[in-house]
Amino acid sequence: GENVEQHPSTLSVQEGDSAVIKCTYSDSASNYFPWYKQELGKGPQLIIDIRSNVGEKKDQRIAVTLNKTAKHFSLHITETQPEDSAVYFCAAKISSGNTGKLIFGQGTTLQVKP
Amino acid sequence: DAGITQSPRHKVTETGTPVTLRCHQTENHRYMYWYRQDPGHGLRLIHYSYGVKDTDKGEVSDGYSVSRSKTEDFLLTLESATSSQTSVYFCAISEGSLGNTIYFGEGSWLTVV
Repeated sequence: GENVEQHPSTLSVQEGDSAVIKCTYSDSASNYFPWYKQELGKGPQLIIDIRSNVGEKKDQRIAVTLNKTAKHFSLHITETQPEDSAVYFCAAKISSGNTGKLIFGQGTTLQVKP
Repeated sequence: DAGITQSPRHKVTETGTPVTLRCHQTENHRYMYWYRQDPGHGLRLIHYSYGVKDTDKGEVSDGYSVSRSKTEDFLLTLESATSSQTSVYFCAISEGSLGNTIYFGEGSWLTVV
């Protein structure tokens, strides 16, 4: 079936460094790719999303890039801070008949060391 | 916060008993979803609803049923709980077409012993 692969599963960086999380998807018709941040004991929060008609989107220290040909997209966090420590999930909208649904990656645990 | 309330937030139940989780939204969004979250699997869609009394299955629907009698409420029922259904359950809502800009609740931790 359709799936989304996310790597790495864990990532540890020093404060101030950059972090990159990568996802690949299988449905070539996917056109919406959100990223969620989940803090311990809480629900996932949308932090940025991108649609298939653009290749890159930025919001302050976070950016997402999309390569439709290769069917992969990435989350970039620059100047990381301890409060960026969390689990990050990518997702892709999968076509299903006349509707669509989100398929999530397995998650990346990001640790930012002070 | 997205105006989503899940109840109960934590529950321990015995194998074979029925369990109902409730999701209540104050946003009047059309679409509602139930996901489960397990280590190594991310978030997997159980069932979703695209309107009152309109529901459909997700990727892991076996052993679960749902009902939506009002726009604001979406119930998830485990008819006979099993240990494999021990998980964190998240309700989510979206205003637009299915799959766009989904907002999640805070989760319900269910343990089946």
